[in-house]
Amino acid sequence: GAGVSQSPRYKVAKRGQDVALRCDPISGHVSLFWYQQALGQGPEFLTYFQNEAQLDKSGLPSDRFFAERPEGSVSTLKIQRTQQEDSAVYLCASSMGPHNSYNEQFFGPGTRLTVL
Amino acid sequence: AQKVTQAQTEISVVEKEDVTLDCVYETRDTTYYLFWYKQPPSGELVFLIRRNSFDEQNEISGRYSWNFQKSTSSFNFTITASQVVDSAVYFCALSVISSGSARQLTFGSGTQLTVLP
Repeated sequence: GAGVSQSPRYKVAKRGQDVALRCDPISGHVSLFWYQQALGQGPEFLTYFQNEAQLDKSGLPSDRFFAERPEGSVSTLKIQRTQQEDSAVYLCASSMGPHNSYNEQFFGPGTRLTVL
Repeated sequence: AQKVTQAQTEISVVEKEDVTLDCVYETRDTTYYLFWYKQPPSGELVFLIRRNSFDEQNEISGRYSWNFQKSTSSFNFTITASQVVDSAVYFCALSVISSGSARQLTFGSGTQLTVLP
């Protein structure tokens, strides 16, 4: 079946603009994660959803970052009033089970955000 | 808090050589999982291997093998007879099983592997 998909693949924004990044997880996957990957670094956790519930948002760097998954499938990561330090690749991952079980996370190709 | 350290920033080898990627982790949890992921130039992270903290048995899977040692908190990864297609950034990652927490992965900073023809 299809893997995790993300759109757009590339996004250029002017400083101060709002952006929305979309993630389509693997069908039926309960868990969905967002990560931020700065250039030359490993991904860092942003937030986690179990179905439509956002159970952990401890990694969101500021209140300008907001994520939702209203129907428990597609998720959107929104960044308001973008700043240059928001430039990074945003990765989405999904896994089959809830957080208290363990399954591998499958990653999408990422959205590369560049803030000018 | 969890931490993963990959001291090797870049490694270059010639095709058919064996190469070992180092990983050292820190956690206070007694139950955890360790992973290796590969990130080719296309950007998508590809799962390679997983190990849980209760099983220190080292295994071989095709050209991949790993050496997990709890005594030194290390989880090293070896590619035997490397190929040009193995060129990528390799990430070691840790996931702990704490009550109430999401199973997020804590990644190292990655090792860029270049296999030369």
